[in-house]
Amino acid sequence: GAVVSQHPSWVICKSGTSVKIECRSLDFQATTMFWYRQFPKQSLMLMATSNEGSKATYEQGVEKDKFLINHASLTLSTLTVTSAHPEDSSFYICRLRGSNTEAFFGQGTRLTVV
Amino acid sequence: QKEVEQNSGPLSVPEGAIASLNCTYSDRGSQSFFWYRQYSGKSPELIMFIYSNGDKEDGRFTAQLNKASQYVSLLIRDSQPSDSATYLCASLTLGRLYFGRGTQLTVWP
Repeated sequence: GAVVSQHPSWVICKSGTSVKIECRSLDFQATTMFWYRQFPKQSLMLMATSNEGSKATYEQGVEKDKFLINHASLTLSTLTVTSAHPEDSSFYICRLRGSNTEAFFGQGTRLTVV
Repeated sequence: QKEVEQNSGPLSVPEGAIASLNCTYSDRGSQSFFWYRQYSGKSPELIMFIYSNGDKEDGRFTAQLNKASQYVSLLIRDSQPSDSATYLCASLTLGRLYFGRGTQLTVWP
């Protein structure tokens, strides 16, 4: 089946720095990409949705200037957490969907900001 | 975010028993409903989805949907210790998937 590769699987960064998370579709063209965040023992919260050729649409309460999403190509999406702070420590997961395929999750990235 | 509520659990059942997981949703415009299993530190794995009223069976799993009551459930028959995980209910609305908090299930031998 279709595969989504998300990197890194975990990252530790200093407060105030920026972190980039990549998500790639390996054998299909991802026309729509979703980014989720999950705090411990909490639900996956949808952060934003990006469709091919258009800017990302952010969910209410998600700061678009802090969480930069780039739908760079039909196989790559990146999420950059800018000026990260300890409260941004979370599990970030991408979900990619092709025009004629079901959606697939990436493996997730555990971000710890110290 | 669209509201998807799950019984918080944790739910503990003996091996071989039926585990019943419940979910309610607030948006009547939701089109389909999904059940995922998630192990700690991992991304969710799709178990099954349902979009028509009634029951849908897949192996040991049965999903039930009642749109009038805005209620979705998942039954796991002959529960195994390997079924121990967090089960997430999700609703699909306008192409976006919204998740409940999840119910932690423990199946003890």
